[in-house]
Amino acid sequence: DAGITQSPRHKVTETGTPVTLRCHQTENHRYMYWYRQDPGHGLRLIHYSYGVKDTDKGEVSDGYSVSRSKTEDFLLTLESATSSQTSVYFCAISAGRDQPQHFGDGTRLSIL
Amino acid sequence: DAKTTQPNSMESNEEEPVHLPCNHSTISGTDYIHWYRQLPSQGPEYVIHGLTSNVNNRMASLAIAEDRKSSTLILHRATLRDAAVYYCILRDPWNNDMRFGAGTRLTVKP
Repeated sequence: DAGITQSPRHKVTETGTPVTLRCHQTENHRYMYWYRQDPGHGLRLIHYSYGVKDTDKGEVSDGYSVSRSKTEDFLLTLESATSSQTSVYFCAISAGRDQPQHFGDGTRLSIL
Repeated sequence: DAKTTQPNSMESNEEEPVHLPCNHSTISGTDYIHWYRQLPSQGPEYVIHGLTSNVNNRMASLAIAEDRKSSTLILHRATLRDAAVYYCILRDPWNNDMRFGAGTRLTVKP
């Protein structure tokens, strides 16, 4: 299995608080991705990174920011969490743009 | 974006072959056909991908129609562990946005 660790695995927080999710990889892959998965919507791309300090927006980027200061870590931040951001968040990595993506086990985030 | 159409659900008996269809009539010449699956409470798992020719790996086979407007994922002997949602996805290698649809929920009966 690809070496991907997401933390925390579960989190419950209140509306308006900042939240940061971490994705850590041991594969030295160039590309990293954040998705959210909601019933009725499938997985949707939030942001992705194609190298250290190189990031771009995905389909549902509003309300989220990302940072990648090291190859192995990709952080997803909700600056001021809202209830609509309650979801399961998945991190993925890939060696190249056209290579398969390998996913972590997800973070279940509940915002009350 | 080119879209895919899959049946909502399928059933199979254990140890029998399973053919999961996918229609993608608006596929472009540069789109690869990818298949992922998602087991309950886990992240998606890469299964197989191809461009024009049929592909085989240890998990499955991918049969691609000559006009590339449809494809079929073949599990040669279904096991209980193969029960999952299977996603057929078209990927343009120059576009990082991999769009997951609703997929096909495969149930495997013992």
